[in-house]
Amino acid sequence: GAGVSQSPSNKVTEKGKDVELRCDPISGHTALYWYRQSLGQGLEFLIYFQGNSAPDKSGLPSDRFSAERTGGSVSTLTIQRTQQEDSAVYLCASSAGLETQYFGPGTRLLVL
Amino acid sequence: QKEVEQDPGPLSVPEGAIVSLNCTYSNSAFQYFMWYRQYSRKGPELLMYTYSSGNKEDGRFTAQVDKSSKYISLFIRDSQPSDSATYLCAMSDHEGAQKLVFGQGTRLTINP
Repeated sequence: GAGVSQSPSNKVTEKGKDVELRCDPISGHTALYWYRQSLGQGLEFLIYFQGNSAPDKSGLPSDRFSAERTGGSVSTLTIQRTQQEDSAVYLCASSAGLETQYFGPGTRLLVL
Repeated sequence: QKEVEQDPGPLSVPEGAIVSLNCTYSNSAFQYFMWYRQYSRKGPELLMYTYSSGNKEDGRFTAQVDKSSKYISLFIRDSQPSDSATYLCAMSDHEGAQKLVFGQGTRLTINP
């Protein structure tokens, strides 16, 4: 079946602009995660959605970052007033509850 | 100090060699240990999943966990050029590997 998809693949924006990154999880997966991978760094946890529970936002680096998940499926990560240090690969993963996380290909964000 | 330390490499070995990849960690609460493989411009894919201490073997891959030393390893036997990728260790104190904490990743090249 189809895996996790993310769009856009690449995004170039100017400092101060807002960006929205989209994640389509594997159908039926109840859990959805966002991670950030900066150059030369490992993946950094951002936020976790599980079913209808309140999301775990403990990894969001600042209040410029927010995410929502509509209808228990598609998720959008929004970064407001982007800064150059936000440049990274943003990865989404989904899982069937407490099982293995399957990752999408990521969105490469470059803030000029 | 990072919770999970991993030598970023790069590591270059000839085809057929045995490869040893390692991570150390500081959080004694970690119970679930994983190794992910990430090809260039792709999302990570799960290779090995281990709970608590011990060894696990899957084909040419063997994962070892030594909780007393807070040290995990991944061994690749009969390495192939197709094994060339970045290998990320990850761990969690939650069942089902929620909120993974990743190492920086080791970039591995297998030379034909």
